[in-house]
Amino acid sequence: AQSVTQLDSQVPVFEEAPVELRCNYSSSVSVYLFWYVQYPNQGLQLLLKYLSGSTLVKGINGFEAEFNKSQTSFHLRKPSVHISDTAEYFCAVRNTGTASKLTFGTGTRLQVTL
Amino acid sequence: DVKVTQSSRYLVKRTGEKVFLECVQDMDHENMFWYRQDPGLGLRLIYFSYDVKMKEKGDIPEGYSVSREKKERFSLILESASTNQTSMYLCASSPPPSGSNQPQHFGDGTRLSIL
Repeated sequence: AQSVTQLDSQVPVFEEAPVELRCNYSSSVSVYLFWYVQYPNQGLQLLLKYLSGSTLVKGINGFEAEFNKSQTSFHLRKPSVHISDTAEYFCAVRNTGTASKLTFGTGTRLQVTL
Repeated sequence: DVKVTQSSRYLVKRTGEKVFLECVQDMDHENMFWYRQDPGLGLRLIYFSYDVKMKEKGDIPEGYSVSREKKERFSLILESASTNQTSMYLCASSPPPSGSNQPQHFGDGTRLSIL
């Protein structure tokens, strides 16, 4: 079975500073990886996904993530955050086999302040 | 764009009541999912469905059941609501096959309080 660890439950950062949200996964087979964002009082919205190919994946709103197979990581980065990036961010993993479930991490709350 | 609609944003019910949470998607997706979201626990899968009248247990199915009579609609049922079922409930859908690289599309959630 796969699992996801988001070590940081909260990340405070000043506006225009860079940010990295960490995600590590565990799986015995090949995986697909996803980052979702949840703004207050809303559902989850897909930020980006890694399926195969280039390990650097670009998503919406200036976010990107890098897949590192040897370190089983999929960290999310943004070079300069905005107040509007304040939200909860979830990393998720799915094995590439059929009938496999999506497993979510516990989330990281990104708080951007002036 | 995919639209996943959950019938209620906020719901307050009493202990012991039978509670129905409804979810409708408009993209003809085969797969539908129900999660609950709790602080510090992330999203946990309750039930999912690959097709009409098909259902599979997720990680925390106890105290819940589901119904999928039509492709576009997936209902979550709390047979006898208890206070520990107070939570945010999220519905999602995705196109087939179930193990594919397709992301799930989420509704805005139902915040359920059991008194």
